[in-house]
Amino acid sequence: AQTVTQSQPEMSVQEAETVTLSCTYDTSESDYYLFWYKQPPSRQMILVIRQEAYKQQNATENRFSVNFQKAAKSFSLKISDSQLGDAAMYFCAYRSAGGNQGGKLIFGQGTELSVKP
Amino acid sequence: ETGVTQTPRHLVMGMTNKKSLKCEQHLGHNAMYWYKQSAKKPLELMFVYNFKEQTENNSVPSRFSPECPNSSHLFLHLHTLQPEDSALYLCASSSPGQGVDDYGYTFGSGTRLTVV
Repeated sequence: AQTVTQSQPEMSVQEAETVTLSCTYDTSESDYYLFWYKQPPSRQMILVIRQEAYKQQNATENRFSVNFQKAAKSFSLKISDSQLGDAAMYFCAYRSAGGNQGGKLIFGQGTELSVKP
Repeated sequence: ETGVTQTPRHLVMGMTNKKSLKCEQHLGHNAMYWYKQSAKKPLELMFVYNFKEQTENNSVPSRFSPECPNSSHLFLHLHTLQPEDSALYLCASSSPGQGVDDYGYTFGSGTRLTVV
């Protein structure tokens, strides 16, 4: 079974600085997807960024980028120029690429990010 | 709003009550999910529905009863719950091969359930 581990329960960053959130996962599959979701106090889970395992190039979305190390099964999220609105719980998640439609999304424990003004 | 609507947003119920949570999406997705989010724990997948058929029940106690009458609606019927069932219940939907969110989920805002 696949597992996702986020070893940092809490992180803090100064506004305008850069922060990296860690995520490791375990799988025997070769094709899969990885995601970072953000959950602010409003409780809405928002997709931040996604990575296809077959792509070597790291995904980037504006101030958010990932460092995907397939061999090491590591998928960290870097937030540049942190803003107050980035404060939230961040979840790393894994999803198989194969199988039938609606493959389940497996989540890590989450990292609570606070941003200091 | 993301396109997945959950009602109610908050629910307080006694252990002998019967209540239902509702989830609705009009995104054309064909898979829907119930997740339980407890404090300090990872999100726990409860149920998966594909094209209205339940394809996964993650060893959920029978006091939780899902219903999926069509691909747009998903319910979670609750009865004789325990205080440890208090949590945020999130609904999500997905459909592969549709744009930049391929294989991703769209979540609702959740129902905060408190069992007293």
